[in-house]
Amino acid sequence: IAGITQAPTSQILAAGRRMTLRCTQDMRHNAMYWYRQDLGLGLRLIHYSNTAGTTGKGEVPDGYSVSRANTDDFPLTLASAVPSQTSVYFCASSLLAGEENTQYFGPGTRLTVL
Amino acid sequence: GQNIDQPTEMTATEGAIVQINCTYQTSGFNGLFWYQQHAGEAPTFLSYNVLDGLEEKGRFSSFLSRSKGYSYLLLKELQMKDSASYLCAVVDSNYQLIWGAGTKLIIKP
Repeated sequence: IAGITQAPTSQILAAGRRMTLRCTQDMRHNAMYWYRQDLGLGLRLIHYSNTAGTTGKGEVPDGYSVSRANTDDFPLTLASAVPSQTSVYFCASSLLAGEENTQYFGPGTRLTVL
Repeated sequence: GQNIDQPTEMTATEGAIVQINCTYQTSGFNGLFWYQQHAGEAPTFLSYNVLDGLEEKGRFSSFLSRSKGYSYLLLKELQMKDSASYLCAVVDSNYQLIWGAGTKLIIKP
């Protein structure tokens, strides 16, 4: 693989179910991010990780959790999905956290919660 | 609060020039990014500005005025493949990106 991959590409989920979105990068980037993108709104940061073993909350963290056990993987878990979590989810990474660190995005996961 | 403003949609003609504006009010400023996003795809990096002035990169240029809280992306010699959304994002005092909602650019032949 080269760059960032996300799985699944799309998913329809019943409300109340647990779901983990997967994100893997092979660029040895230290920082990783999860965003959601909704029509008419900018990308909104859910959680981030500046380096393996650390995570932080973004603008809209409620209902989501993350872990960063190693450099490459940054899964996002919805413990009990609700319809308002219907969105397109993008994982991104950057070499470092901080200024002038371009973020590179995965292809996204389109999630529908019914 | 933090705010990034961009026009929702713009239309331009193939071969022409278009300027997409972005104004921002954020808690601190540590740079400004422009990304391109084709429908159904991921955002891809176009430019980064941290100092005032114009950065030129082929057909695309980006301008920044920190005192005015203003940036623009200039696209020259428009091609049909430039039809996409253009996202402005500011690096705030916590070094997080604050994103505008994006400008959908429609190119007509």
